[in-house]
Amino acid sequence: AQSVAQPEDQVNVAEGNPLTVKCTYSVSGNPYLFWYVQYPNRGLQFLLKYITGDNLVKGSYGFEAEFNKSQTSFHLKKPSALVSDSALYFCAVRPRDNFNKFYFGSGTKLNVKP
Amino acid sequence: DTGVTQSPTHLIKTRGQQVTLRCSPISGHKSVSWYQQVLGQGPQFIFQYYEKEERGRGNFPDRFSARQFPNYSSELNVNALLLGDSALYLCASSLETITDTQYFGPGTRLTVL
Repeated sequence: AQSVAQPEDQVNVAEGNPLTVKCTYSVSGNPYLFWYVQYPNRGLQFLLKYITGDNLVKGSYGFEAEFNKSQTSFHLKKPSALVSDSALYFCAVRPRDNFNKFYFGSGTKLNVKP
Repeated sequence: DTGVTQSPTHLIKTRGQQVTLRCSPISGHKSVSWYQQVLGQGPQFIFQYYEKEERGRGNFPDRFSARQFPNYSSELNVNALLLGDSALYLCASSLETITDTQYFGPGTRLTVL
């Protein structure tokens, strides 16, 4: 079965420190990988995606993500966290052989404290 | 550019009733997908439509149906509402290729009493 795991329900980090939000997946083939952010009572906003090529993908608001094929992971990172980064982050996967579906993780709540 | 729009913003229904949610995609986007997001969980895929045809369906009962119109807007219908249908319903639009990003609307918050 296809699945996406975000092993941490919550990540706490101090402002100015680096942050990592983890994502691993169990999807056949080499899927397309995405990160979205959701603020309270809002829809999802696109951050970045991995299609092919360089394993380090840069996205919006200073975020980047590292694709690791052997570990089937796509961790979201930022070198220096801001209080305004506090939100709910979702990893999503789109299989190449069944691209009409998106699979989302359960979400990780990021708390950045001043 | 106007993003994905959804209406209504909030909706309260009682068990057994029927509901219709509406979505207008970003101009130029031909694909619309629907998701259900229960509080505390990630979005669950319900349907994808492209050029008025259903291209994908998630694991939802037949009480859930959708359609896409010639202008690419879409409706999601849910019949015989259950308490468990209470959720945020998200619509996303994208261009036609499989690598395209899905852009989400603000959602419709459905409460079933």
